[in-house]
Formats: sequence, C-alpha cells, structure tokens
Amino acid sequence: QVQLQESGPGLVKPSQTLSLTCTVSGGSISSGSYYWSWIRQPAGKGLEWIGRIYTSGSTNYNPSLKSRVTISVDTSKNQFSLKLSSVTAADTAVYYCARVRVEMVRGVTIPYFDYWGQGTLVTVSS
Amino acid sequence: SYELTQPLSVSVALGQTARITCGGNNIGSKNVHWYQQKPGQAPVLVIYRDSNRPSGIPERFSGSNSGNTATLTISRAQAGDEADYYCQVWDSSTAWVFGGGTKLTVL
Repeated sequence: QVQLQESGPGLVKPSQTLSLTCTVSGGSISSGSYYWSWIRQPAGKGLEWIGRIYTSGSTNYNPSLKSRVTISVDTSKNQFSLKLSSVTAADTAVYYCARVRVEMVRGVTIPYFDYWGQGTLVTVSS
Repeated sequence: SYELTQPLSVSVALGQTARITCGGNNIGSKNVHWYQQKPGQAPVLVIYRDSNRPSGIPERFSGSNSGNTATLTISRAQAGDEADYYCQVWDSSTAWVFGGGTKLTVL
C-alpha cells in the first residue's frame, strides 16, 4: 500500500518561499507509470492543482501559478518537493501531495489521483 | 480554459439515492473521476474513468457520463456518506481541472 506524507514549515512569511517535501513509502517513486503531483485547498474552498513531475524530471504546472512554482524529485530519497515563491496570504492552504496514475485506453492518456497524502496546513503570515 | 460546474449542495434521505452532477462542455467526451472528502481528511478516489470503482469502494457508488453532464450516484445513502464530492477531468489545455465541490447531506 503506497503512502505519501507531506512535511515542511507550517508558517511562512509573506514574500518568502514555501517549501514542502512529500515522502513516498510502500513503493518506489520510480516504478510504474505514475506522475507525482501537488494540490492545495484553502480553508472552506475547493481543490486547486498546482503541478506535477515525472521521475525523469519533466514537469507541468498550473498556468496561474507557473511563474512561482518549482517541483523537483529526488529518487534516491523517494521524495518529491514543492517550492512556491513570493507567497502572500492567498497562498494559505492545506497542501496535498498525490500520486497520479496514468492509464492508456484506446490511445488516450487518462491520468487521475489514486493516492493522497494527509495534507499539511501552510499559513502565510508575518 | 475548461470549467466544471457542480451544485453547492445535495441532500438525500437516509437509505435513498443521491445524485451529484458535474457539468462541462461536452464532458461526455472526457474521462471523469470523483473524489470524496470528509471533514479534516484528504480526498479519496471513489470513481475513476466515469464509472469504475477502486477496490474497497462500495458498490453503492456508481458513475455515468454523457453529453454535458457526468453523474455520481450513491445508492442506499448512509450517514457515513456525508462528505464533499469533487469531480475532476484532465484537459489538454488546462491539465487537471476540479469541479467546485458538492456537499452531500444525509437527512
């Protein structure tokens, strides 16, 4: 059973960089047809996809956050990480890491989130 | 960009059938996935590729997708089904898109 666990500071000052790490256990981050992704959820609001990475290092980001987001992977540690720069109060949210299962059906790529971490609250405040 | 529309809330009597809709332009041509999120918990995948249930998800959960509407159906609703439900698709221009979420109340 794959498990994901987010870690990192729960409080970040405005204009600084938010940094989180997701540790994957119960399987190798390099095995299978999976992407690894970050998603966030402000209190009382819906889910917002942030970005994803493949173990080759290729990334894809939400256009609304692209200029501030960097996702990286460390296969030796079975971890992937998120950096979000120039944060404001609007970036206060629960941040989730998730595994993206990628299926191919009749030539169509179908990705969805099959395992999620428990989430970690990050508050942006001075 | 592609958008998904869900009702803010749906109510269902205990033991009855709840239907939660997810609207999108020609969503029937896409693959829709559904997540259940209980208060203070991470989302859990309950339906993938329109109508498939992951292992461990009760048969009471089913899904359909046609035209401009995808539907999550919960039969014989239980108190434990109270949660927020989110639909999600992958769009080539927008990548992963979530609906705004629907709060299911079991009366």
